Amino acid sequence: DAKTTQPPSMDCAEGRAANLPCNHSTISGNEYVYWYRQIHSQGPQYIIHGLKNNETNEMASLIITEDRKSSTLILPHATLRDTAVYYCIVSINNDMRFGAGTRLTVKP
Amino acid sequence: NAGVTQTPKFRVLKTGQSMTLLCAQDMNHEYMYWYRQDPGMGLRLIHYSVGEGTTAKGEVPDGYNVSRLKKQNFLLGLESAAPSQTSVYFCASSFGLFEETQYFGPGTRLLVL
Repeated sequence: DAKTTQPPSMDCAEGRAANLPCNHSTISGNEYVYWYRQIHSQGPQYIIHGLKNNETNEMASLIITEDRKSSTLILPHATLRDTAVYYCIVSINNDMRFGAGTRLTVKP
Repeated sequence: NAGVTQTPKFRVLKTGQSMTLLCAQDMNHEYMYWYRQDPGMGLRLIHYSVGEGTTAKGEVPDGYNVSRLKKQNFLLGLESAAPSQTSVYFCASSFGLFEETQYFGPGTRLLVL
């Protein structure tokens, strides 16, 4: 039970922003939201994480709602190499549960 | 830095055979993890370690044993392999426990016939 809900798949046009939603309505006050991605069965790759505030790094931006019950990962200019499965994770009792994720396909 | 490496990359076992998967990291991380990933599913935590000489159970520990004799190595053992253990196994390491970025290895594909 991953405690997060993500759409199973999404498409995005190359060069456009990809917005990946995640619901985590049972998140507790001290749990972080993490995003990882997995490209073609390679090991997962860390993208970004946050607690309350919005976060940005060289890969992506993370927008967390004020009530923390949902978040959105934004890839500002998606490329074909961003095609992957994206996992939204919140830690539960000190372990991280990966759900099925969202399969993002970036199309030319 | 090699990061996190896993040995072997691929293995075929017969039911009842045993084997050990090796994970090594050169980042001086205290915490190490073993996950399995079945087709179309996310990763599930098997066991983890919070430091040399320590191990703890994760979400799906049955049928596996682990050892952390050296800080840089985390071994996953299958004493009597079963077809249900056919999976891709990923090792990861981190500075902090769970709430820190985990660095993953390339995976070991195991087929149990």
